[in-house]
Amino acid sequence: DAKTTQPPSMDCAEGRAANLPCNHSTISGNEYVYWYRQIHSQGPQYIIHGLKNNETNEMASLIITEDRKSSTLILPHATLRDTAVYYCIVRVTPGYALNFGKGTSLLVTP
Amino acid sequence: EAQVTQNPRYLITVTGKKLTVTCSQNMNHEYMSWYRQDPGLGLRQIYYSMNVEVTDKGDVPEGYKVSRKEKRNFPLILESPSPNQTSLYFCASSLRVGQTDTQYFGPGTRLTVL
Repeated sequence: DAKTTQPPSMDCAEGRAANLPCNHSTISGNEYVYWYRQIHSQGPQYIIHGLKNNETNEMASLIITEDRKSSTLILPHATLRDTAVYYCIVRVTPGYALNFGKGTSLLVTP
Repeated sequence: EAQVTQNPRYLITVTGKKLTVTCSQNMNHEYMSWYRQDPGLGLRQIYYSMNVEVTDKGDVPEGYKVSRKEKRNFPLILESPSPNQTSLYFCASSLRVGQTDTQYFGPGTRLTVL
């Protein structure tokens, strides 16, 4: 399955939009892009997923490029509680395991 | 409230003393899975279950057993724990397995084996 590349860390000021990039240049046509986050050793939390169209839900927006080789997760108004490690995941492995990789550690500052 | 629960949340034990970590979900999900998380190694799948009485190995199954006698429960069994099984464990479930099925995770069990 496709591998993903994310920056190891990012900062964002509280109230501003956080834009988290992800490269998945080897993605295949039927693979979805998922985003999860993990807040300090808590269980990972699903955020959003998409195939080719941009998606939005109550937590975030997902922008996928037309060639599907990269995507951006947007938290429109980051709060301190959004400080977490964000994982961009492209499925699917045998056993349907989510390949979390190293993710991006987002720090939201006051 | 829809949730995945794990017990215990924290456990310190000694080498060789059998233990069971329970996982339960109240969402009637077919798929359940166990992960372990270690610094620098990320989350790795231990075992998974597609439905009742159907289980299979993940990436790191050695030293673990599982069972799925009921849909809601998926216990993780360590018959003879060793220090290298010290880790943070997560149970996850999803409605079924498919391209658009998201996984819901429990709060985690931090296990220390002395």
